[in-house]
Amino acid sequence: DGGITQSPKYLFRKEGQNVTLSCEQNLNHDAMYWYRQDPGQGLRLIYYSQIVNDFQKGDIAEGYSVSREKKESFPLTVTSAQKNPTAFYLCASSIPGQPNQPQHFGDGTRLSIL
Amino acid sequence: AQSVTQLGSHVSVSEGALVLLRCNYSSSVPPYLFWYVQYPNQGLQLLLKYTTGATLVKGINGFEAEFKKSETSFHLTKPSAHMSDAAEYFCAVSDYGAAGNKLTFGGGTRVLVKP
Repeated sequence: DGGITQSPKYLFRKEGQNVTLSCEQNLNHDAMYWYRQDPGQGLRLIYYSQIVNDFQKGDIAEGYSVSREKKESFPLTVTSAQKNPTAFYLCASSIPGQPNQPQHFGDGTRLSIL
Repeated sequence: AQSVTQLGSHVSVSEGALVLLRCNYSSSVPPYLFWYVQYPNQGLQLLLKYTTGATLVKGINGFEAEFKKSETSFHLTKPSAHMSDAAEYFCAVSDYGAAGNKLTFGGGTRVLVKP
C-alpha cells in the first residue's frame, strides 16, 4: 500500500544540537509539506515543496531547513537556532496544482528536548 | 489570506448523542474545504471534503458536513456518537496560488465520548 513513512517516531535532542526528521512517500506525489503541531494551535506550515529541487518557506520556517533532492524524500532539519523545538512534526504529500485534492499525512515524529 | 475558526477546543458528548463540530472559514476565492481526524500519536486522516457541487458531503465513519456559503461555514455532524469517535478533529481550507497549494487549519476540536 502507498503511504508516507516518518522516522523516527520519537526523537530527543540535546541543547545546541541539530536533528533531522525523515519523511519518505511512495504515493508518487510531487508536493510535500512539513507541519508543526502544538497543543491548541492546530497545524502550522514550516516548509513545502511543489517539485524536486525547489521548496518554499511556510509560516514558521525560522530555525528549520529542508532539502528536496528526490521526489520520494523531504527531510526536515531542526537546527539549534530553533529555541522551542519540542512539538509533534507531521509530513504530508499531495498532487500539486489541484487544490481540491487532499493532503496525505504520515504518523508523525515527536521531538523532545533533553 | 485564508483562515479557519473552530468553535470549541473541547466537546463532550454521550455515546449515541449527536456530534456537532463547528467550522467557519474566510476565503477570497471559492473554497475547497476538508475535515480531518487525528487519533492520539497518529497523523491526520481525511474524513471528507467539499470541492464543488452538492453542499451536503458524506464522509467516512458516518460523518457528514454541510457547506453554507452565506454563513461561510462547514460544520461536521454525526447523528450518533460512538466511543471510537473520541479523537481530535481539524477543519482546513485550501489556500492556493502561484506558490502552490497549501492548507490552512483550524485550531482543532477534541471530542470526548462518555459512555
